[in-house]
Amino acid sequence: GEDVEQSLFLSVREGDSSVINCTYTDSSSTYLYWYKQEPGAGLQLLTYIFSNMDMKQDQRLTVLLNKKDKHLSLRIADTQTGDSAIYFCAESKVDYKLSFGAGTTVTVRA
Amino acid sequence: NAGVTQTPKFQVLKTGQSMTLQCAQDMNHNSMYWYRQDPGMGLRLIYYSASEGTTDKGEVPNGYNVSRLNKREFSLRLESAAPSQTSVYFCASKQGPDREQYFGPGTRLTVT
Repeated sequence: GEDVEQSLFLSVREGDSSVINCTYTDSSSTYLYWYKQEPGAGLQLLTYIFSNMDMKQDQRLTVLLNKKDKHLSLRIADTQTGDSAIYFCAESKVDYKLSFGAGTTVTVRA
Repeated sequence: NAGVTQTPKFQVLKTGQSMTLQCAQDMNHNSMYWYRQDPGMGLRLIYYSASEGTTDKGEVPNGYNVSRLNKREFSLRLESAAPSQTSVYFCASKQGPDREQYFGPGTRLTVT
């Protein structure tokens, strides 16, 4: 969706941190989500953040939200080969819909 | 719970043929969605149903129709398939606004 933008590709070395960035346009979005899609599979929710929060940590995942700049990021610590996937940023809309970015393909190299 | 199920998993159609993609959820969710996923374009919403008995167009509804058969099932129909409809189709459901969407495994459709 054109409301949400993310870079298309990220290559990271195993054990390093990955940072995936996303910008969104709707300042009224109440929730922002990160979904993960493994090859040949559907999307699974990784984590989400409520719009009144700046940061959320969940094990190896850290989500940072800058509401002023409408910027969202996902940091994966100690990236593993199993983290290779497409990561989608999404923002909630008031009318029951989500708007998705194009997805960032993360490749983890040994 | 099976979650969100979709049938078929794969389908090849000739231009002009019709078919219906089936979706069912067993989580008692109110809202259901159909998306298509194309390389570099993310997920685009085709149609959604905020609650049983209602359906609304999304970003890319042309060439598709939907039916919310009951609370569990939401089908997507292609009346006359075109090569531009070659895509991966995902069904999703959620309980209500500001809730997580749960996705099915997808249907890979090729139109020749």
